[in-house]
Amino acid sequence: EVQLVESGGGLVNPGGSLRLSCAASGFIFSGSRMNWVRQAPGKGLEWVSSISPSSTYIYYADSMKGRFTISRDNAKNSLYLQMNGLRADDTAVYYCARIPGSVAAQNWYFDLWGRGTLVTVSS
Amino acid sequence: SYELTQPPSVSVSPGQTVSISCSGDKLGDKYACWYQQKPGQSPVLVIYQDTKRPSGIPERFSGSTSGNTATLTISGTQAMDEGDFYCQAWDSNTVVFGGGTKLTVL
Repeated sequence: EVQLVESGGGLVNPGGSLRLSCAASGFIFSGSRMNWVRQAPGKGLEWVSSISPSSTYIYYADSMKGRFTISRDNAKNSLYLQMNGLRADDTAVYYCARIPGSVAAQNWYFDLWGRGTLVTVSS
Repeated sequence: SYELTQPPSVSVSPGQTVSISCSGDKLGDKYACWYQQKPGQSPVLVIYQDTKRPSGIPERFSGSTSGNTATLTISGTQAMDEGDFYCQAWDSNTVVFGGGTKLTVL
């Protein structure tokens, strides 16, 4: 089955750190650009970060630069998000999402999403 | 930073046609796509590359663009189509989402 399964969410104190994981299965993970997208409670979707198949090209939303680090391990079919300096406004469901491998940059879209993992930043 | 603007909410009667707009500077020069999200569920891609429908998405969903506006149209709307709809585009190596539109089928 083609799927993405996130894990690693939980409750963390402001200023703390958390590492999210996303396990991919059922497709050629090493051929796909992967992303993190988040959604605060009751709010809209917000793109977080993107990583190319070989990890060569990595991009972040401005508000996440310097605090979040995206990475991947193609041998383990896994995507990661290291989050440091967490703030209350980082509280959200974090989704792992795939961009199809054949898609050009100007045409990025997410054709596969995980179910998300909830991160709550609170003391 | 680039922004996409959607109406916060739209409503439609069952069986009728509804359109949801998404506007952004020079959006006509970019590709737009659309997601549907039902309560408690992950987003689902319903339109990509302005007008294309992924396999498994009903034909009543269609997309179009004109000038700086992309539009998602649902023909013969059904109760199951209720949910939040988000447009999305790419700009300068970032992904931008619209604020979302809540569709209510009355």
